[in-house]
Amino acid sequence: DGGITQSPKYLFRKEGQNVTLSCEQNLNHDAMYWYRQDPGQGLRLIYYSQIVNDFQKGDIAEGYSVSREKKESFPLTVTSAQKNPTAFYLCASSIDFPGTVNTGELFFGEGSRLTVL
Amino acid sequence: GQQVMQIPQYQHVQEGEDFTTYCNSSTTLSNIQWYKQRPGGHPVFLIQLVKSGEVKKQKRLTFQFGEAKKNSSLHITATQTTDVGTYFCAGPYSNYQLIWGAGTKLIIKP
Repeated sequence: DGGITQSPKYLFRKEGQNVTLSCEQNLNHDAMYWYRQDPGQGLRLIYYSQIVNDFQKGDIAEGYSVSREKKESFPLTVTSAQKNPTAFYLCASSIDFPGTVNTGELFFGEGSRLTVL
Repeated sequence: GQQVMQIPQYQHVQEGEDFTTYCNSSTTLSNIQWYKQRPGGHPVFLIQLVKSGEVKKQKRLTFQFGEAKKNSSLHITATQTTDVGTYFCAGPYSNYQLIWGAGTKLIIKP
């Protein structure tokens, strides 16, 4: 089955630690995204990538880093510089981009829930 | 900056009653997408509207895109327990990014 796999599903972090969230897709999509979701809010974009070895900051990139060494993989590192990292993190991909003529629907992974102890 | 406002934040309904959520954008959108997120789950794409005044139906769900392409609505007729979740609208504000409404949570009263 094609889809997006995120791991781990739940993660606990001590203050001052970096953690990396995994995102793998086998949909052959060029575009990949990381979103953060907090209760009662819409999704906020952290980073996105249009192609291998290229990525761009979203609205809330501070305290986060990403890499895109392979088309299938787009890991997110939550660094110790992120002051309020407790949240639900969602990885997504799309075959095309939202502003194009074609459907830019996003396919989401099941999410990773990060809690800072 | 560009914003997408979605109301209401919550809607409590009896099973069998109708539900409606509204999205309003501060700028004209090239398209608008709707997603559903079940409790504890991830957003799942429902539909994309592209044309001015467009109306699309999926069984009990009716989606509308305004004539000015700045507002949209989702209406569910005769809600069922399977409809429970949060419904989000999202519109592109660049070629590569979506801006999301805050979502409307549909709650079925016991």
